[in-house]
Amino acid sequence: SQQGEEDPQALSIQEGENATMNCSYKTSINNLQWYRQNSGRGLVHLILIRSNEREKHSGRLRVTLDTSKKSSSLLITASRAADTASYFCATDNNNDMRFGAGTRLTVKP
Amino acid sequence: ETGVTQSPTHLIKTRGQQVTLRCSSQSGHNTVSWYQQALGQGPQFIFQYYREEENGRGNFPPRFSGLQFPNYSSELNVNALELDDSALYLCASSLVVGQTPEAFFGQGTRLTVV
Repeated sequence: SQQGEEDPQALSIQEGENATMNCSYKTSINNLQWYRQNSGRGLVHLILIRSNEREKHSGRLRVTLDTSKKSSSLLITASRAADTASYFCATDNNNDMRFGAGTRLTVKP
Repeated sequence: ETGVTQSPTHLIKTRGQQVTLRCSSQSGHNTVSWYQQALGQGPQFIFQYYREEENGRGNFPPRFSGLQFPNYSSELNVNALELDDSALYLCASSLVVGQTPEAFFGQGTRLTVV
């Protein structure tokens, strides 16, 4: 069964705008990860945030984690057409990763 | 490139047949997980192997089975294929260090059951 649920299911923005995706989960976690998937291909790890962290940055990515609300957000700043992909959050509990259904991001040039 | 390779990339099978999918882990990784991803859905955890032993299993029937070999390569076997088994099958390898196992995914095998 899926653990994380991403919101929105689909997001369409113009190049240069920021994109925010949210993830909610149900049980306690060790950490939460965000992955990206280009159409029909493997997933690429973007960023990991531990359960005792509240915010993390990596380049144009900013991830927040609120364990009291069991939610996380991924912000992509200054988006590019190449950011077009599906984005998944994955929660890790005892090395068992559970993914949500993903947010499909389209960045229009 | 993640260093994780899967074969074959595409496969068509008939309902009732058996299939074996293969995964070569990234060098040095001792853990491999398999996922099933239906079209438009997120990956669903099938099972994980750690040092050749099953180390966790998702909600999949016993006709989904696996192996991990001493060189940490892995196989996913599916017996008595059903139409709903059509999906992208992904393997991911990781080196379990503490509680932060970043997973490296292969490009997947697209299985179509007709």
